[in-house]
Amino acid sequence: SAVISQKPSRDICQRGTSLTIQCQVDSQVTMMFWYRQQPGQSLTLIATANQGSEATYESGFVIDKFPISRPNLTFSTLTVSNMSPEDSSIYLCSAGGYNEQFFGPGTRLTVL
Amino acid sequence: EDQVTQSPEALRLQEGESSSLNCSYTVSGLRGLFWYRQDPGKGPEFLFTLYSAGEEKEKERLKATLTKKESFLHITAPKPEDSATYLCAVIGNYQLIWGAGTKLIIKP
Repeated sequence: SAVISQKPSRDICQRGTSLTIQCQVDSQVTMMFWYRQQPGQSLTLIATANQGSEATYESGFVIDKFPISRPNLTFSTLTVSNMSPEDSSIYLCSAGGYNEQFFGPGTRLTVL
Repeated sequence: EDQVTQSPEALRLQEGESSSLNCSYTVSGLRGLFWYRQDPGKGPEFLFTLYSAGEEKEKERLKATLTKKESFLHITAPKPEDSATYLCAVIGNYQLIWGAGTKLIIKP
């Protein structure tokens, strides 16, 4: 198993600004994932981040809007760029493989 | 088009009243079906992975089963602490898809 921590836990931001979310894993992992979850709704995968390679983005998500870094096997960041109120959501990171993922507690983002 | 549908959206049970949650899926080349539990304000917590029709997994009061079209999460004699949203996800040839979840409420 793995323990995942995220920072910040929540933030309120102005439109047009950017926010970087940090995700730390307590052990080395190959795959990390970033998700978005609207309150009361399902998870939507934004991208998969493997160390040493470019992140793979799902349909509807682009690198210019959601740049991701993966500098080592225990850490990743997701930046939400040029934010609008539609970006208000919970952002979750996870680690592991497709058959078992361990999730962080999430970052609740509100864009005004 | 690959998709996952969970039902019901919400389920209220009395403590000790057994029931089942459903996850129906349409996916090209099923490579795995997963059940997670999510408590309010937290990330999902892994419960089970099922790989092929006929497979079953158990953990405490929970039992997951899989057919070629759907999976059931059976909960036996539930307790209030089993209250949570239960999420189903499947992975096929192309992508990992999550269902919208079933919110389970167990009343004492």
